[in-house]
Amino acid sequence: RKEVEQDPGPFNVPEGATVAFNCTYSNSASQSFFWYRQDCRKEPKLLMSVYSSGNEDGRFTAQLNRASQYISLLIRDSKLSDSATYLCVVRRNDYKLSFGAGTTVTVRA
Amino acid sequence: DVKVTQSSRYLVKRTGEKVFLECVQDMDHENMFWYRQDPGLGLRLIYFSYDVKMKEKGDIPEGYSVSREKKERFSLILESASTNQTSMYLCASSLSGGEGNTIYFGEGSWLTVV
Repeated sequence: RKEVEQDPGPFNVPEGATVAFNCTYSNSASQSFFWYRQDCRKEPKLLMSVYSSGNEDGRFTAQLNRASQYISLLIRDSKLSDSATYLCVVRRNDYKLSFGAGTTVTVRA
Repeated sequence: DVKVTQSSRYLVKRTGEKVFLECVQDMDHENMFWYRQDPGLGLRLIYFSYDVKMKEKGDIPEGYSVSREKKERFSLILESASTNQTSMYLCASSLSGGEGNTIYFGEGSWLTVV
């Protein structure tokens, strides 16, 4: 079983729509959680950290559910520029990071 | 701004060749990493270094070695390249310590082994 699993998508949504997707992780001792964004043929960049209480950054909302071992990302009012692959990242208890394979989001005009 | 630079962006090498991938960071980060990224598999950690001359195996170290002679530079070496090492290689760096430290990636090196 992979340490971090994501629905690969693609999620094709119109501009202005809301899109949400989850990521599950297998190690219950995982300590920190992040969403990274990766554009086509580019390097991943940090989108946001995920805190236990849930957190928002503009149109992006991240949630953590430790009991069920998943994190989620919700994008409101989607923009064309939100088209990317979103990587779920989990920091293990040895401080190394485990990456999901990514969820692809395509926002169409 | 943190800058992680991978000098070789696109390489084509023959099976059996020795390949060097160089990475330099300019933010005095203690930790440096080499990952490879393959479709459907996500990023997988090859090697990790937390200090000069220190290295630790990641999840897939076989067929690779690394060198960290200076704090800012972390090199990945493929002693004898094979076709299954065709991939995108990402170097990254971060401050030491725990949970809150962001990891910064270089732009990636696309290696094709023929």
